[in-house]
Amino acid sequence: DIQMSQSPSSLSASVGDRVTITCRASQNITTYLNWYLQRPGKAPNLIIYGASSLQSGVPSRFSGSGSGTDFNVTISRLQPEDFATYYCQQSYTTPRTFGQGTKVEIK
Amino acid sequence: QVQLQESGPGLVEPSETLSLTCNVSGGSINSYYWSWIRQPAGKRLEWIGRISIGGNTNYSPSLKRRLTMSVDTSKNQFSLNLTSVTAADTAVYFCAREGSTTEGRYFDSWGQGTLVTVSS
Repeated sequence: DIQMSQSPSSLSASVGDRVTITCRASQNITTYLNWYLQRPGKAPNLIIYGASSLQSGVPSRFSGSGSGTDFNVTISRLQPEDFATYYCQQSYTTPRTFGQGTKVEIK
Repeated sequence: QVQLQESGPGLVEPSETLSLTCNVSGGSINSYYWSWIRQPAGKRLEWIGRISIGGNTNYSPSLKRRLTMSVDTSKNQFSLNLTSVTAADTAVYFCAREGSTTEGRYFDSWGQGTLVTVSS
């Protein structure tokens, strides 16, 4: 299985801050990397697919980058609704695997 | 816009079979792969497996021995059976659609999730 690891596991930030979360794959996954946002008690929502493509309806303050084994998602100006847990996920092969999550909390 | 809804028992006894169904509305079940994903409390998401409308399946190696998925295109539903459950199978179970484009493959629609507790 391809192992996915995220850093940091959690972070505290303020509204308006720029935030970057990192994801690393245990082997080359080209750009088959997706990012999801999950609020407590809710299903995950797709925000970035193919490492850098913005899902329809997702605000442009979200952006993704990377290829191979190292990836980032950046929120340019954090909004109150962005405080949630973020997961990366590889779709290069099955079994699909997810990172352990990064919880973005209000400072 | 497609909507997914999980249904099934919220409590299953140890060693019994966990059975869940996902109803797909607002769109056809044709095309796409349809997945089950679970999340134990406070833990990461775990992909269980997927099925296509042609019946092709891919299962998580760790669950493969206990897992069966099926699809009923006439009802726009797909289902999960997990046998010989233990407390480790307690989780919120999600069904999800896996879309595919030239840019990638991704879970673009999810059910709300259903909590399944394994306990006597």
